[in-house]
Amino acid sequence: EVQLVQSGVEVKKPGESLKISCRASGYTFTSYWIGWVRQMPGKGLEWMGIISPGDSNTRYSPSFQGQVTISADKSITTAYLQWSSLKASDNAMYYCARRNFWAFDIWGQGTMVTVSS
Amino acid sequence: QSALTQPPSASGSPGQSVTISCTGTSSDVGGYNYVSWYQQHPGKAPKLMIYEVTKRPSGVPDRFSGSKSGNTASLTVSGLQAEDEADYYCNSYAGSSNLGVFGTGTKVTVL
Repeated sequence: EVQLVQSGVEVKKPGESLKISCRASGYTFTSYWIGWVRQMPGKGLEWMGIISPGDSNTRYSPSFQGQVTISADKSITTAYLQWSSLKASDNAMYYCARRNFWAFDIWGQGTMVTVSS
Repeated sequence: QSALTQPPSASGSPGQSVTISCTGTSSDVGGYNYVSWYQQHPGKAPKLMIYEVTKRPSGVPDRFSGSKSGNTASLTVSGLQAEDEADYYCNSYAGSSNLGVFGTGTKVTVL
């Protein structure tokens, strides 16, 4: 079965660092780009960025450039999204998704990130 | 990039049809045939319903159809059913830098 399994709920304080993961299985990890999507509480979907796991070629949406880092480890078929210093405005659900035919055809279950002092 | 524009809400009775629009620019929707649509039920991850403007993934009912004219794409749900009540988002390839942009989202209510 093709699936993306994300890491669990995170509760952090402002200023802390965080790295969440997205483990792929059931397909050739290096053959498809993986994207990250943010959904703030009660709001819509936002494109954050995308990575090609084969060569780690990464692109960021302008709003997220410099705010997060996307990476991948093809040896363990896992993509990552990380912050060096979290802010309260980073409170959101974060989804990873596989891009196929210029669409996201497989989605992870989401990782809820709560940032609160 | 700015988010693509969708109506906040749409509704219809069971069995009726509802059409959701998604308006962008010639740099995204109008420039490429790479529009996709997603259905999201509360508390769930989005699900791909349409890709490349008109194509349906395996398992998606043929009640769902997509189209595009100029800078506006549309999703039509025919024969509305209770389980179609959800939020719907469009997405388009946005050209250089291999990026994309989502629509603002539309809440579909089955009356």
